[in-house]
Amino acid sequence: EVQLVESGGVVVQPGGSLRLSCAASGFKFDDYSMHWVRQAPGKGLEWVSLINWDGGRTYYADSVKGRFTVSRDNSKNSLFLQMNSLRSEDTAFYYCAKDQSRRGYNYGDHWGQGTLVTVSS
Amino acid sequence: DIQMTQSPSSLSASVGDRVTITCRASQGIGNHLAWFQQKPGKAPKSLIYDASSLQSGVPSKFSGSGSGTDFTLTISSLQPEDFATYYCQQYNGYPPYTFGQGTKLEIK
Repeated sequence: EVQLVESGGVVVQPGGSLRLSCAASGFKFDDYSMHWVRQAPGKGLEWVSLINWDGGRTYYADSVKGRFTVSRDNSKNSLFLQMNSLRSEDTAFYYCAKDQSRRGYNYGDHWGQGTLVTVSS
Repeated sequence: DIQMTQSPSSLSASVGDRVTITCRASQGIGNHLAWFQQKPGKAPKSLIYDASSLQSGVPSKFSGSGSGTDFTLTISSLQPEDFATYYCQQYNGYPPYTFGQGTKLEIK
């Protein structure tokens, strides 16, 4: 069974930094691209970032480009999102999701439960 | 970037009804479209991929159609557990992979 567990969400001041983690199990982690998707409280879903299976390619939404960095450690079945220069509009639940396609780029077919990041002074 | 527009934004229906939600892409995306269901306080759940393929374990009351720029999600014989928010997402080519703004399906 695929399991994804996010962690690291806390309250942080504007301008601060935070690193989210996602622990994966139940599938061959190093065969799949991984996504980060966020959702501000009461709002819709926003795709944030994708990293390919070996970490060699990364993609970002314009809203986070230059501030967020996605990475992975395939030896530990873990995905990360380093968030710098945080703004109030980054306040959201952050979900990691496994890509549906083996060694491709598609949609997230399995999602974690999310972790809440609150940017506030 | 490709923009995704869902309609309606909200929809009231009764148990037993059949409903259709529409998603339009700002440019052609082939059949690279997925539909998700999200209930309050829960993560999104994948329902449909490649515009019309049912995700494993999803009941056949859910169906998707379309290609190019216009897509629909149809839910037949609504049950109480189907009342939720539904999102489309395009995954054409390389990211960014944008979502529609969501359609909230409520009980009439």
